[in-house]
Amino acid sequence: NAGVMQNPRHLVRRRGQEARLRCSPMKGHSHVYWYRQLPEEGLKFMVYLQKENIIDESGMPKERFSAEFPKEGPSILRIQQVVRGDSAAYFCASSPKDDTTGELFFGEGSRLTVL
Amino acid sequence: RKEVEQDPGPFNVPEGATVAFNCTYSNSASQSFFWYRQDCRKEPKLLMSVYSSGNEDGRFTAQLNRASQYISLLIRDSKLSDSATYLCVVNAYSTLTFGKGTMLLVSP
Repeated sequence: NAGVMQNPRHLVRRRGQEARLRCSPMKGHSHVYWYRQLPEEGLKFMVYLQKENIIDESGMPKERFSAEFPKEGPSILRIQQVVRGDSAAYFCASSPKDDTTGELFFGEGSRLTVL
Repeated sequence: RKEVEQDPGPFNVPEGATVAFNCTYSNSASQSFFWYRQDCRKEPKLLMSVYSSGNEDGRFTAQLNRASQYISLLIRDSKLSDSATYLCVVNAYSTLTFGKGTMLLVSP
C-alpha cells in the first residue's frame, strides 16, 4: 500500500519560470492538503482540496499560486513566475475524510529551489 | 499572538533524561490536538493525539488544558532515536495548524 507520493522530490527553477508539483494521495484517500515549509520555519497551510473541489484556500498567496485535484490523476500545485522567496519544501498530505481528528499522512515533500 | 506557539529550543539532553515540551494555542474553537514528529529533511509523522484526560504511549505522555489553551508532551528515558523536531498541531475547522516545532537533541 503506497503512501502519499510526491514528485518531483527536488526541482530547480530560474526566476520567472513555472513550477508544477504533483501529489498522489494514499489509496482510498480523497482529501488532499498542501503545506509549505520555509527554511527554519514551521509548516504553513496552503490549500485543502477534495476531488474537483477546492475546500479551503485561505493559505494560498493571492497571485501566482494555484492548486487543483482533478477527477482523474494527481493533485497539482502550480507556481507561476517563481521568485526566490518561493524556495521551500512543499508537503502534500492526505486523509480519508474531512474530519481531521484522524491522522494526516504526509508525502516526503518536494523541495523547490529558485535560482 | 501566533496561532500555535512552542518553546524555541533546541533542547540538548543526555540519554535517559526526561524532557518536557510546551505549546499554547490562540484559537479557542480548536477541536483536536496532536504532536507530530519531524526528522531532519523528512516529512512530519503523527506521534500521538492529545486528549483532555491526558494520554500515555510508552515513554510519551501528552496533556491538554483547554481552559489555559495549553498542550504538553513529556518524554521519559530519552533515547538517541528521539532526536527530532516535535511539532504541536491544532485542528480547527478541518485545517491543521502547526507550531514551528521544538528541536530535541539527545546525546550519548
